[in-house]
Amino acid sequence: SQTIHQWPATLVQPVGSPLSLECTVEGTSNPNLYWYRQAAGRGLQLLFYSVGIGQISSEVPQNLSASRPQDRQFILSSKKLLLSDSGFYLCAGGGDWETQYFGPGTRLLVL
Amino acid sequence: AQKVTQAQTEISVVEKEDVTLDCVYETRDTTYYLFWYKQPPSGELVFLIRRNSFDEQNEISGRYSWNFQKSTSSFNFTITASQVVDSAVYFCALTLRGGGSYIPTFGRGTSLIVHP
Repeated sequence: SQTIHQWPATLVQPVGSPLSLECTVEGTSNPNLYWYRQAAGRGLQLLFYSVGIGQISSEVPQNLSASRPQDRQFILSSKKLLLSDSGFYLCAGGGDWETQYFGPGTRLLVL
Repeated sequence: AQKVTQAQTEISVVEKEDVTLDCVYETRDTTYYLFWYKQPPSGELVFLIRRNSFDEQNEISGRYSWNFQKSTSSFNFTITASQVVDSAVYFCALTLRGGGSYIPTFGRGTSLIVHP
């Protein structure tokens, strides 16, 4: 079965600083990949998804961007973080396309 | 558009009680998947089950059981003899088959607190 790796686990960043969160997938090839954000209150907000290398779809316009430079690598970035970017970021994917498997998540605090 | 409703925001039970988490979905499509995920305090969403829209058989896995009823558009999750380790937020989700991207629609989640 596939495994989703994410790092770092926790990140504290000042407002205006850049961001780079990385997600890699192990155990499958050509997975669909997803970035979610979960703010306080539990709801999962889909930010981006990718069906292949270089193919990114954005679900919500915002201060963030995503890239997929390799088949099993998905990166979430920002040039300048805002306070509202704080949250819990989850990467998901899987070779079994209908089922999403999630990584451990990154807790981001923007101060 | 699809919709998943988890009307129970929070449920509190005492250990060994049985508890049912409700999930009601809306979709015009006839082919879809339903899911349950568990999110413990550590944060990672753990996949529990996937059910195909053509398979209405109920499923049991240890203390967990799932009741899928298309007639009421519900996919409820029951934990028998709850334990403290069951304390988590549980999400129900729906994904349409086909289309390529398989973007799920998640419910808002139900927080289950099991007291010793």
